[in-house]
Amino acid sequence: DSGVTQTPKHLITATGQRVTLRCSPRSGDLSVYWYQQSLDQGLQFLIQYYNGEERAKGNILERFSAQQFPDLHSELNLSSLELGDSALYFCASSPGTGGNTGELFFGEGSRLTVL
Amino acid sequence: DAKTTQPPSMDCAEGRAANLPCNHSTISGNEYVYWYRQIHSQGPQYIIHGLKNNETNEMASLIITEDRKSSTLILPHATLRDTAVYYCIVRVAGGSQGNLIFGKGTKLSVKP
Repeated sequence: DSGVTQTPKHLITATGQRVTLRCSPRSGDLSVYWYQQSLDQGLQFLIQYYNGEERAKGNILERFSAQQFPDLHSELNLSSLELGDSALYFCASSPGTGGNTGELFFGEGSRLTVL
Repeated sequence: DAKTTQPPSMDCAEGRAANLPCNHSTISGNEYVYWYRQIHSQGPQYIIHGLKNNETNEMASLIITEDRKSSTLILPHATLRDTAVYYCIVRVAGGSQGNLIFGKGTKLSVKP
């Protein structure tokens, strides 16, 4: 158990819909990262937040957005969903900006299926 | 961040040492080598990291060549539960952005 909690574990929805994935980082961790893993793309970094501020941006689509709240939990919002958005979405956390040790703690993921 | 090259797959007999190679010939002096693994559809798990000295922890050993252009992750006594995709990642430590860039990794199959 990494201490990172993601909900929901599974989600099935239709094209065009909007969903929100939630992540609670390990106690005390200030950074949250979102990754997408689809069969053909591997693990793709989406975005990082540190203490409520966006810190790094990866291959995140404009239809996707994220935020980190004052209590440090984070939400990833996916809108206008397409079939290709079906994937595992992982959240990870680290104590600081993550730059010092490179150790990220990953949650078990949210599996999104878009029909 | 420097690119890494790993074999796509490897097999290992249960109880034997698993040696997973990684080439990172363009590594810079301030870049560390990190190893993570992902057991089927679970979240990736940190294993070990190092700069230039060999490192060992309860999970594995990391051997980095003197020129730092390649490294080997060693699982000393592989078990069936070590079957996973292993990722070698090279990245600067101490920066303000902690995101890791994952490649395709090596799929290790431990067989009875």
